[in-house]
Amino acid sequence: GIQVEQSPPDLILQEGANSTLRCNFSDSVNNLQWFHQNPWGQLINLFYIPSGTKQNGRLSATTVATERYSLLYISSSQTTDSGVYFCAVQETGANNLFFGTGTRLTVIP
Amino acid sequence: KAGVTQTPRYLIKTRGQQVTLSCSPISGHRSVSWYQQTPGQGLQFLFEYFSETQRNKGNFPGRFSGRQFSNSRSEMNVSTLELGDSALYLCASSQGAWNTEAFFGQGTRLTVV
Repeated sequence: GIQVEQSPPDLILQEGANSTLRCNFSDSVNNLQWFHQNPWGQLINLFYIPSGTKQNGRLSATTVATERYSLLYISSSQTTDSGVYFCAVQETGANNLFFGTGTRLTVIP
Repeated sequence: KAGVTQTPRYLIKTRGQQVTLSCSPISGHRSVSWYQQTPGQGLQFLFEYFSETQRNKGNFPGRFSGRQFSNSRSEMNVSTLELGDSALYLCASSQGAWNTEAFFGQGTRLTVV
């Protein structure tokens, strides 16, 4: 299967700071999603972004499929942004996702 | 529109027992996938069903099985439970046949003692 690497594994930020999370993948993909896992374990959809750039409030994401990476930007971070962020990709012709190991973000007041 | 519903939310079982978990996808979604999350192995794909047919299977032993019903609801079964099966089991639903956005349920946390 496709290998997915996320960096950094851990990130501690002061409230109000900006951050960039990176996701690299080993093969061509037809879908890439970013998720935030809440404290109860549910994966919350952030972006469905096979290519290009999308923005949603303080969050934005960019995927460069030809170079096999995606970036998640968090601006003006808040304590509620804390948690684990996952990147996941799909191979062509399938719905199953290959997940990275996640970035654990801690935002301190 | 209701989201993905997984039941039960929490479960405690004894080694050697079997367990069945349920997942109701978003209305109109025909694909259901199952994932296991453990601290050591992260999020791993178990299997995917589309229109009652298993299309993809991850690298798990035969003790892990599943099925999908005509209303797209899915169940997964784990037989002869082992301590290492303790995990968060997540179900995802997608609308289309492939490469469509996945939406996850709240998960079932299984503890094997």
